[in-house]
Amino acid sequence: NAGVTQTPKFQVLKTGQSMTLQCAQDMNHNSMYWYRQDPGMGLRLIYYSASEGTTDKGEVPNGYNVSRLNKREFSLRLESAAPSQTSVYFCASSLRTGGSLNTEAFFGQGTRLTVV
Amino acid sequence: GDSVTQMEGPVTLSEEAFLTINCTYTATGYPSLFWYVQYPGEGLQLLLKATKADDKGSNKGFEATYRKETTSFHLEKGSVQVSDSAVYFCALSSTSGGYQKVTFGIGTKLQVIP
Repeated sequence: NAGVTQTPKFQVLKTGQSMTLQCAQDMNHNSMYWYRQDPGMGLRLIYYSASEGTTDKGEVPNGYNVSRLNKREFSLRLESAAPSQTSVYFCASSLRTGGSLNTEAFFGQGTRLTVV
Repeated sequence: GDSVTQMEGPVTLSEEAFLTINCTYTATGYPSLFWYVQYPGEGLQLLLKATKADDKGSNKGFEATYRKETTSFHLEKGSVQVSDSAVYFCALSSTSGGYQKVTFGIGTKLQVIP
């Protein structure tokens, strides 16, 4: 039972390089999320996708783009990496239900990105 | 907007000590509340949850009660073990305009010493 799978696990980029972080879930979840985790800042939402075909900005979207390729996959792209984007990135997904009952999010293992 | 407040720590306890990690929140409507745990080098795992006021979530000896009147969801454990050393995140999930959004606190690092 794979759950949420992120690739790569580690990456070092030079300033100005681009890359795409991949995320896939096999739980048939509607909603998917990208977070970054920095010391003393907790997890901050970069972008989320409530359903296939829709994406919305979160708390810290600048410098990132996303694509919800299909229901399973949600990728995060850095077009021109900057040292400020050095962080640990987590993808998550959740089964959005109707009404006010909200289910928990399931997380990938994370991608540790260093921009030099 | 929604927000979650918790102490950053680290919290250092001796084995078998009592644990409390405070969590308060601000949200519109009726959010669901969660505690996640992150072990070193791993992603976050759900520890427990509560979906409405006065619900008590529990798992692995940890408990938290959804207190709407004080907007709190404090995490407790009666006797911690070295294996409980991790970072603990309080989170809330709310629905706005049909979209579900999860907001996290900054995480509290717990160190349990033998």
